[in-house]
Formats: sequence, structure tokens, C-alpha cells
Amino acid sequence: DAGVIQSPRHEVTEMGQEVTLRCKPISGHDYLFWYRQTMMRGLELLIYFNNNVPIDDSGMPEDRFSAKMPNASFSTLKIQPSEPRDSAVYFCASSWTGVSYNEQFFGPGTRLTVL
Amino acid sequence: KNQVEQSPQSLIILEGKNCTLQCNYTVSPFSNLRWYKQDTGRGPVSLTIMTFSENTKSNGRYTATLDADTKQSSLHITASQLSDSASYICVVSANPNYGGSQGNLIFGKGTKLSVKP
Repeated sequence: DAGVIQSPRHEVTEMGQEVTLRCKPISGHDYLFWYRQTMMRGLELLIYFNNNVPIDDSGMPEDRFSAKMPNASFSTLKIQPSEPRDSAVYFCASSWTGVSYNEQFFGPGTRLTVL
Repeated sequence: KNQVEQSPQSLIILEGKNCTLQCNYTVSPFSNLRWYKQDTGRGPVSLTIMTFSENTKSNGRYTATLDADTKQSSLHITASQLSDSASYICVVSANPNYGGSQGNLIFGKGTKLSVKP
């Protein structure tokens, strides 16, 4: 398996623009997680899905952020409008209920820079 | 409040030397503790996962210990190599059967390890 795939790997945009980050989880995994990582705050959970259904979005910073999972093999995280403080590395991770301790497998991340 | 504190923030050692990274947590109800290695520009990769009943677990030159009574864990790296240069993140999971959830992982801010030749 190729692991969790994220695109793009790097994104530079201007304040006010819409940004869409994409994730393809590992085939067969039933959980998908979106994280944000900054130097100041470390890794923070934004939202997670189980069987394509959002379970907990309490980590989503504000209404500018939205996430969807239209099917088991694809998810998006959208920021509209983007702001400089959204600059961070965004990780997608997936796991499977059948794996011991529900171990999460992380993608390579998308480095977002908002100018 | 559920928290995970790691020390030191950063560490520089010479190749071949051993080192120990610390993790203290206040997470309840506790389910398991994980150590992740994160190379620069990559996503975290799991090194070890330990439950309440496990005191130690090894993965090659990495050995993690857990003291559930004092809520402390350590990651010991033996005979360090240049490829060990990375951030090491301690993550504690709250028990999903007792008020936690699958997403309830509490992350430490990591220890940045640099191994010099």
C-alpha cells in the first residue's frame, strides 16, 4: 500500500483566497483524521471521520474551516477565506478499528503558507 | 486538564551516544501511550505503543518505559545514529470506553533530537 496520500505537498496562497487540501486514506481504513501542526502548539486534532461520517469537529478553529469525506477513499479540508495565521503543516491520518490500539498512520503533510 | 509535557525541548548528542527523552502526562481515563518519530518534512511514524499493564517495550535501539503510577514515560535511544535526528512526540490516548473517543489523542510538543558526527 502507498500509505496515506496528501496533496498538494506545498501550497502558497494570498490572504483571502480559498485553499483546498486533499487526502486519500489507506485502503480499508475506517477512520480519517485531520491535524494541524505549528511550532507553537504542536499537533492539534481538527476533525475526524468514522465510515465517512464526521464524529468530532470540535477542533476546527472557526467557520472558515470545513471538511468533507464524500467516500471512503477521499477527504478534503477547505479554508475559506484563508488568513496568515492559518499557515501551518496539515496532516491527514487514517486508522482501522481492527488494528491494535487503533494506531494512526500519517500522511506526509501539506505545508500551507498564507501571505 | 489532559496534558502531555515533554522534556527536554531539544537535545544535541554525539553519534554513538545514548540518550533518554522524558514524557509526563495527566490524562484520564488512560488507555495507552505512544511514541512517534517525526523526521523533518515527514509525518509522524509510530515507534511504540504501551498500555497500562506494560512497563517496557522495545523497537530495535528504541526502548520505551511506562510508569502508570507516576504517569511518566521515557524513550531511551541506544548507540545513536545520524538517522535518529528527528522530533520525538509522546502521545497519550484517553480510553474510548470510558468517556474518551477515537480522536482523543493528547500530543506533547515533542523533543527535537540532533545527532552530530
